This record gives sequence, C-alpha cells and structure tokens, in this order.
Amino acid sequence: LAKTTQPISMDSYEGQEVNITCSHNNIATNDYITWYQQFPSQGPRFIIQGYKTKVTNEVASLFIPADRKSSTLSLPRVSLSDTAVYYCLVEGGFKTIFGAGTRLFVKA
Amino acid sequence: DTGVSQDPRHKITKRGQNVTFRCDPISEHNRLYWYRQTLGQGPEFLTYFQNEAQLEKSRLLSDRFSAERPKGSFSTLEIQRTEQGDSAMYLCASNIGTGGLETQYFGPGTRLLVL
Repeated sequence: LAKTTQPISMDSYEGQEVNITCSHNNIATNDYITWYQQFPSQGPRFIIQGYKTKVTNEVASLFIPADRKSSTLSLPRVSLSDTAVYYCLVEGGFKTIFGAGTRLFVKA
Repeated sequence: DTGVSQDPRHKITKRGQNVTFRCDPISEHNRLYWYRQTLGQGPEFLTYFQNEAQLEKSRLLSDRFSAERPKGSFSTLEIQRTEQGDSAMYLCASNIGTGGLETQYFGPGTRLLVL
C-alpha cells in the first residue's frame, strides 16, 4: 500500500477555509484516496473518498490532480468543532493503513 | 444506536493479567477489523474477519493476542499476560464486505491501561 505524507499540524480560525494536502507518490492504479476525521477518545469517522479530479459532499471537497500523487482535503468555513485529527489514506482493498494524521486546531 | 459498539470503554489492569474486549459490529456487516492506536499515532491494523473466518493477522499481533468471531457477529480480542506496552486504544471497525473498497465504520474504542 502506498505511504502517505501530510503535515503534522495546522492552525486555522473559525470561518476560514482549510486545505490539507497529502502526498502519495506511490499510489497504485486501483487505489482510492480516503480521508477520515478523528476526535479525542473516538474512533475515526469517514469524511470523503475519491479516485480522481474532484469530489464534493456536504462536509468537504477532495481535489485530486491528474497524476494522483497528491490530494487536498478542503474544509469550507471551519468551526471550533472541526478541531480534530485528519487522516489521509490510500486504499486498494480491505486493508487500511493510517499515518500519523494532521492535527487541525481551529481557534475562535 | 445501530453503530459499532465496544465494551468496556476503559480497562485498567495490572501487568501479567489477561484482558478481553468485545466488539459488536453493525448488524448486517460481514467484515470486522481490529486496530490498536497509541497516543499521537494513527490506528494500526491488527486483524480482520470475514464472517467467522480470520483472514489476516498483522505481525503486531503477537502470540499473546487472540481474536475470535465465533458466530460471525460479535468479536472478542484477548490479550494474555499483559505488558505495559500493550497500553493503547483498541478500535473495532466493520463494513459490509461484499468485495472491493468499502468505508469502515469505527466503534468508540476500548482504552487499556496496563500498570
């Protein structure tokens, strides 16, 4: 499975758009890119998944360039409750490999 | 609540004792996964079941660890002769498991502290 690299932490303010970029240089043809969110003392929660170009749902957008070697999770207008750890994963089957994630701190 | 549940939520034990954790997946989910998460790290895959069959085990799962899913529904994870290094959050996840790529639904975890 491809390894992912993402920033250790990021700070933002309420109402701002936050973009978290993940590198996955060795992504395979059949791999998908998935992002999870985790709050303290809870299990990870699925946010969004994509294969290429752009995917949008009610909570986030995922941008994937043509070479698929990176991806960007975009959180519009964050609030204090978006403070969490965000994991970028590259998945090709049943097995899920988590990295250390990005700790997002949203300030008032 | 029809999500994944885990019991207990917290467990404190002394080194050398055995502990057992339970996971109840979402009812129609065939696949069940166990992960371990230490402070500041992402979850690490331990093992997974397709129905009652344990199909893969990580090298992280030493011989002191055993997992079962006897009827293809709930699962148990037992740690024998616990060590301080076993202190972690143990997470369970499930999905339908019809093949291919599927989102996993995680439970709240069991936090283990070995003294």
